[in-house]
Amino acid sequence: DAGVIQSPRHEVTEMGQEVTLRCKPISGHDYLFWYRQTMMRGLELLIYFNNNVPIDDSGMPEDRFSAKMPNASFSTLKIQPSEPRDSAVYFCASSFGGYSYNEQFFGPGTRLTVL
Amino acid sequence: GQNIDQPTEMTATEGAIVQINCTYQTSGFNGLFWYQQHAGEAPTFLSYNVLDGLEEKGRFSSFLSRSKGYSYLLLKELQMKDSASYLCAGPNTNAGKSTFGDGTTLTVKP
Repeated sequence: DAGVIQSPRHEVTEMGQEVTLRCKPISGHDYLFWYRQTMMRGLELLIYFNNNVPIDDSGMPEDRFSAKMPNASFSTLKIQPSEPRDSAVYFCASSFGGYSYNEQFFGPGTRLTVL
Repeated sequence: GQNIDQPTEMTATEGAIVQINCTYQTSGFNGLFWYQQHAGEAPTFLSYNVLDGLEEKGRFSSFLSRSKGYSYLLLKELQMKDSASYLCAGPNTNAGKSTFGDGTTLTVKP
């Protein structure tokens, strides 16, 4: 298995632009998580899905952030409009088998820089 | 991370043993994960303890006391490649998600 796939690996954009991050979870996994990591705030859970349905989006910082999972093999995290404080590494992770008791497999991350 | 505390930084010598502690609020948690994250890379799974006691995996061991809300990760025979951030994370039974600590940055020196 290729593991969790994220694209792009690096994104540099200007303030006000729309940014779309993509994730392909491991086949068969029924949970998908979006995290943001910064030096100041550590690893923060933004939103997670179970069987393509958003379960908890309380970590999404503002309405500028939105996430979708149209099918079991694809998810997007969109920021519109982007701001410099959104600069961070965004990780997607997936897990299998019920709830949060199982190991999460992380993708390589997308390093976002907003100028 | 919310409700999880671990030291920010630790330093140890190559070949030595180091213990990284993690405390958490007991309500709503069921067991504890440890992840390793090298600089510039994604976190990777190390261990999961659901029962009290010590679990050993080679040079790494993890301990859990559910009643005390306490866990530690023990690294033996330290190697330079063990320099990384170590994150403890608790599955939250109330929210169906894991809460991560801020991580402990371990530096192994020659």
